[in-house]
Amino acid sequence: DVVLSQSPLSLSVTLGQPASISCRSSRSLVSSDGVTYLNWVHQRPGQSPRRLIYKVSNRDSGVPDRFSGSGSGTNFTLKISRVEAEDVGVYYCMQGTHWPPVTFGGGTKVEIK
Amino acid sequence: EVQLVESGGVLVQPGGSLRLSCTASGFTFSIFAMTWVRQAPGKGLEWVSSISANSDKSYYADSVKGRFTVSRNNSGNTFYLQMNSLGPEDTAVYYCAKGVGGNTDYWGQGTLVTVSS
Repeated sequence: DVVLSQSPLSLSVTLGQPASISCRSSRSLVSSDGVTYLNWVHQRPGQSPRRLIYKVSNRDSGVPDRFSGSGSGTNFTLKISRVEAEDVGVYYCMQGTHWPPVTFGGGTKVEIK
Repeated sequence: EVQLVESGGVLVQPGGSLRLSCTASGFTFSIFAMTWVRQAPGKGLEWVSSISANSDKSYYADSVKGRFTVSRNNSGNTFYLQMNSLGPEDTAVYYCAKGVGGNTDYWGQGTLVTVSS
C-alpha cells in the first residue's frame, strides 16, 4: 500500500500569514494514464471532510484562491497564502492512483496563533 | 447541490451486525461509483470500501474484508454498508462519499458506529 507522510503534524499560524504542508509518498503517484491522483482534503472541527484540491493543483469549486497545490512524483505541497480563521482544522493528503486501497496522510492540524 | 445523508449508526455489541445507508441527491447517482470512509475517534481517515456504478465491482480494505459488504440501489439513490462481526476497532464515524479513488469529491456528514458491551 502507498504510504503518505505529512509534515508538520501541526502548525500554528498568525492570521494573514502563509502556511505550507508537505505530503510525501512512498512511491510515485503518476498513474498509467499520466494523471497524478493526489488530493487535499480539509476537515474543520466537528465537520465532515471537504475536498479542496484534486489532481495535485486543481481547486474545487468554491475553494478560495489562497489555497494552492503543487508537486509531482512523490513530493507534494499545499500552500495557504494568507491564513484566515476559517482555515483551522486538519488537512489530509489522499492518493487515488494506486488503489485499492485509497490511502490518506496522517493529517496536519492547523490552528491560529 | 450534491447531498449525501448517512444513517444507521448506533451502539452495537461486539460480534453484532449493522447496516449503514447513504441516500444521495443532487447528482445522477446511477453513473457514479461510491465510497465509504471511516474515522475512529480522534484519528485520521481510513478508506473502507467502494462500489462501481452498476455494482459489478466492489473493493474492501483488508481490515474489513470478509466482514463488510457494500451494495447499492440505483433506483432509490441509496447505497449501503452491511457490517458483520463488529469489533471495538470498528468504532468510528462512517462517511459516504461520491466517487472512487482519486475522484472522490463530496462527503456526507457521517454516522457514528460504536461497538461496545
